[in-house]
Amino acid sequence: SQELEQSPQSLIVQEGKNLTINCTSSKTLYGLYWYKQKYGEGLIFLMMLQKGGEEKSHEKITAKLDEKKQQSSLHITASQPSHAGIYLCGADIGPDSWGKLQFGAGTQVVVTP
Amino acid sequence: DTAVSQTPKYLVTQMGNDKSIKCEQNLGHDTMYWYKQDSKKFLKIMFSYNNKELIINETVPNRFSPKSPDKAHLNLHINSLELGDSAVYFCASSQEIAGQGAYPSYEQYFGPGTRLTVT
Repeated sequence: SQELEQSPQSLIVQEGKNLTINCTSSKTLYGLYWYKQKYGEGLIFLMMLQKGGEEKSHEKITAKLDEKKQQSSLHITASQPSHAGIYLCGADIGPDSWGKLQFGAGTQVVVTP
Repeated sequence: DTAVSQTPKYLVTQMGNDKSIKCEQNLGHDTMYWYKQDSKKFLKIMFSYNNKELIINETVPNRFSPKSPDKAHLNLHINSLELGDSAVYFCASSQEIAGQGAYPSYEQYFGPGTRLTVT
């Protein structure tokens, strides 16, 4: 089955600093989804990247997909307290199971003053 | 307006009981899902329905039975609850979007979750 590994498991960053989270797959990435979860709440969709490699940005968040490395990265520029939460990557495992997302274990982000 | 809603938000019950969690989406999506998030925050898909038809059924005990009365609702019934069933259960919905190239994308919208505690 698809294995998704996220790194780091957690990180603490000072407000205003940049941060990067990685998501590496053991198998082909057909679609890679980034979500953010705040404690006690559901997941909020951030971005989706497709097989073939691409890069998307929204406000201060940029996500990239490196097809060769089977890896996606999520980069936050000039972090703010609102960026705190758990970031999860989810992968579409392919033609036999479209929409059946498998998720990584998540990265907890803490933003300090 | 809430896009994907779940009830109840919290559920505390004793082992052996039967309970249900309800989910409704007002996005007009064709596909709905149930996920389980354990204490380590690991999120795992359980079921998926497309237009009231079961399309994904992961290795989940038979005590868990999803029911979709219409495409806007997907309920989860759990029989004979066990301690290991304690988790947060998330409902989600999606619509297939024609992606770039040959692959569709399924942007899933999640509900707020139901925290189930079995004592």
